Amino acid sequence: AQSVAQPEDQVNVAEGNPLTVKCTYSVSGNPYLFWYVQYPNRGLQFLLKYITGDNLVKGSYGFEAEFNKSQTSFHLKKPSALVSDSALYFCAVRDTDKLIFGTGTRLQVFP
Amino acid sequence: NAGVTQTPKFQVLKTGQSMTLQCAQDMNHEYMSWYRQDPGMGLRLIHYSVGAGITDQGEVPNGYNVSRSTTEDFPLRLLSAAPSQTSVYFCASTYTRSASPLHFGNGTRLTVT
Repeated sequence: AQSVAQPEDQVNVAEGNPLTVKCTYSVSGNPYLFWYVQYPNRGLQFLLKYITGDNLVKGSYGFEAEFNKSQTSFHLKKPSALVSDSALYFCAVRDTDKLIFGTGTRLQVFP
Repeated sequence: NAGVTQTPKFQVLKTGQSMTLQCAQDMNHEYMSWYRQDPGMGLRLIHYSVGAGITDQGEVPNGYNVSRSTTEDFPLRLLSAAPSQTSVYFCASTYTRSASPLHFGNGTRLTVT
């Protein structure tokens, strides 16, 4: 079965610094990978996805993610963090008709 | 467009009571699903449907029933609530067999005492 792992429960970063939220995957075949963000008391919002093509995927709110097949990773990145980026981030992988989520990483951006 | 609408937003049940969480979408999505979110466990898939009249089990289906009589609606039923079902429930929809992202509702916070 397909799965994703998010090794960090929380990531802390100062505003203006680059941020990385890590995700590794385990799939058979070519993966469909996604990143979602959840703000307090809200549902998840789609940020970006990798299906095929360029390994660097650009998404909403200035986020991007790098697909690395050799390291089976799909890390979320942003060059300059904002306090408003503070939220819960989920990596996900598609498994036929199901979307399987990681356990989430809480991003805290300090002023 | 309203997107994915979940009702109620909050619910408190006593052990053994039954209830239905409602989910409706107005985007003509064939695929609908229910997740539960628990601290430290991320989102876990309960049930899903690839179209009207078709449902299937996800990772944690025990204690929950679903049906899909229309494209728009996908209710989740708890037949006999247990404290272990205290959680936040999310409904999500998208186009079936595509790479389109899921659209989520704002969730239902359920407490079972």
